[in-house]
Amino acid sequence: SQQGEEDPQALSIQEGENATMNCSYKTSINNLQWYRQNSGRGLVHLILIRSNEREKHSGRLRVTLDTSKKSSSLLITASRAADTASYFCATEAGRRALTFGSGTRLQVQP
Amino acid sequence: EAGVAQSPRYKIIEKRQSVAFWCNPISGHATLYWYQQILGQGPKLLIQFQNNGVVDDSQLPKDRFSAERLKGVDSTLKIQPAKLEDSAVYLCASSLGGARETQYFGPGTRLLVL
Repeated sequence: SQQGEEDPQALSIQEGENATMNCSYKTSINNLQWYRQNSGRGLVHLILIRSNEREKHSGRLRVTLDTSKKSSSLLITASRAADTASYFCATEAGRRALTFGSGTRLQVQP
Repeated sequence: EAGVAQSPRYKIIEKRQSVAFWCNPISGHATLYWYQQILGQGPKLLIQFQNNGVVDDSQLPKDRFSAERLKGVDSTLKIQPAKLEDSAVYLCASSLGGARETQYFGPGTRLLVL
């Protein structure tokens, strides 16, 4: 079963706009990670936020984590056409490897 | 630094046939993972190795799937016999230590079972 669920399933925006994706999960975690997957390619790690952190930044990416609500959000600011991809949240708990959500498909129109 | 290598990139087989995938992780990475990604879904862990020992294979359909990691480096994943529902992308990933560390993914093998 998949622990994380992303919302929305699909998102279409114009270049320059911000994109926000949300992730909800069910059990306690050690960390939550966001990955990007371009069509037909492998996953690329974007950012990791630990359970004792609330917010993290990396370039145009901003991730928040609310462990009381078991939710996270990924914000991409000033989006570009090259940001078009699927974005997955993944949770890590214990020794088990990552549990991925079903992803948000982002389309950035030039 | 070379990334995770996988081969083949694409494979088409008929149901009931056998197929094998190969993965070469990043040099020095102790942990290796195989994921199955069905179209429109997120990756699902099949098996996790730490060096050449199995850490987690609870979601591996052991009646038809098998995996090994000889000498704690390369790994092969085999399906025998394949079913239509095995059509998916099979992703290999590796990390330096355990599951708490960043995983690096290979490009995947796209399998189509007819």
